[in-house]
Amino acid sequence: EAGVVQSPRYKIIEKKQPVAFWCNPISGHNTLYWYRQNLGQGPELLIRYENEEAVDDSQLPKDRFSAERLKGVDSTLKIQPAELGDSAVYLCASSLGLLFVADPDSYEQYFGPGTRLTVT
Amino acid sequence: GDSVTQMEGPVTLSEEAFLTINCTYTATGYPSLFWYVQYPGEGLQLLLKATKADDKGSNKGFEATYRKETTSFHLEKGSVQVSDSAVYFCALMKTSYDKVIFGPGTSLSVIP
Repeated sequence: EAGVVQSPRYKIIEKKQPVAFWCNPISGHNTLYWYRQNLGQGPELLIRYENEEAVDDSQLPKDRFSAERLKGVDSTLKIQPAELGDSAVYLCASSLGLLFVADPDSYEQYFGPGTRLTVT
Repeated sequence: GDSVTQMEGPVTLSEEAFLTINCTYTATGYPSLFWYVQYPGEGLQLLLKATKADDKGSNKGFEATYRKETTSFHLEKGSVQVSDSAVYFCALMKTSYDKVIFGPGTSLSVIP
């Protein structure tokens, strides 16, 4: 079974430029998460989707960050314009979701390899 | 707010040494607790978990026990291998499908 797929793996851009990251979750997973991991720190949640609906975007800097999950499958996270402080690893994760609440492992989050963003 | 604290690294051990990585948490209620591992160049992988007090999670020779009284979830392994070299993250989740709150990570290097 394929895991969570993310692209690109690495991205270097100049500040003020736009950038987009793509995530394809595990097939059948309804819940999708975007995390940001700064150097030397643990990941922090940016946004969580249940199917197409963003149910927790309280930590997403909405002035420059946006995300979408059309058709409840793939997701794209965008930054426009990027700032130096946005340099980090952006991680996507997925889990089965609320429809499988009877399964105690249904909330386990599976992580992709991440996209390492460098803003110069 | 909810948080996770773990021992600072890097930790360097010789092969076959005993490993302990301390982890304590702050949270109301009864969160689920996790250890994730991140091997070089790879994504985060769930190593083990415990969902209620006194539960012991175990996998690949690693163990951790959910201690409600000390709000701790220390990771242990009796004999580490070079292949265990990675960054280890302690984490908690308040409710199912909620965000995972991670500690800062502890880098482990095992030398032959």
